[in-house]
Amino acid sequence: DSGVTQTPKHLITATGQRVTLRCSPRSGDLSVYWYQQSLDQGLQFLIQYYNGEERAKGNILERFSAQQFPDLHSELNLSSLELGDSALYFCASSIGTSGYEQYFGPGTRLTVT
Amino acid sequence: AQKVTQAQTEISVVEKEDVTLDCVYETRDTTYYLFWYKQPPSGELVFLIRRNSFDEQNEISGRYSWNFQKSTSSFNFTITASQVVDSAVYFCALSEARRGGGAQKLVFGQGTRLTINP
Repeated sequence: DSGVTQTPKHLITATGQRVTLRCSPRSGDLSVYWYQQSLDQGLQFLIQYYNGEERAKGNILERFSAQQFPDLHSELNLSSLELGDSALYFCASSIGTSGYEQYFGPGTRLTVT
Repeated sequence: AQKVTQAQTEISVVEKEDVTLDCVYETRDTTYYLFWYKQPPSGELVFLIRRNSFDEQNEISGRYSWNFQKSTSSFNFTITASQVVDSAVYFCALSEARRGGGAQKLVFGQGTRLTINP
């Protein structure tokens, strides 16, 4: 158990809908990262927050957004969902922002039908 | 741009054999970090090791060992006396180092699926 929690574990929804994925980092970790894992794209970095501030953006679609709250938990919002958004979404956390190992949550498997 | 290549898509060996997973990386940074993660069939990503670019010492942890060679931009992972429980997908990853608390995304290779047969 990495100490990072993600909810829900599974999510099935229809095209065009909006969902919110939630992540709680390990105790003491200030950085939260979101990654998407799909068969065709592999593991792709989406976005990073550090102590409430956005620090880096990767290949994150405009339909996706995220935020980190004062209690350091983070939410990833996915809207206008398409079939191609079906993937495993991981949250990770680290104590700092550079050079630290990231600990991953169990992931949320999103299926868009 | 940073890139990680794991040329071995799948490897299958018999239990107790030694197996090496290859990882080759590209980066223009002089300071960077390399990682290995394990993804068992249950799906979670498990951190195995971190190595910074200034530390080329090989590392051994039980049956696991890592060989970091800057001259060939490689960070290979060897499992000695493999066991069925080692069956998983293994990912090599790279991140740059930023001063002043900059961002740190992980760039992953495509992964190597390792199957250990009894």
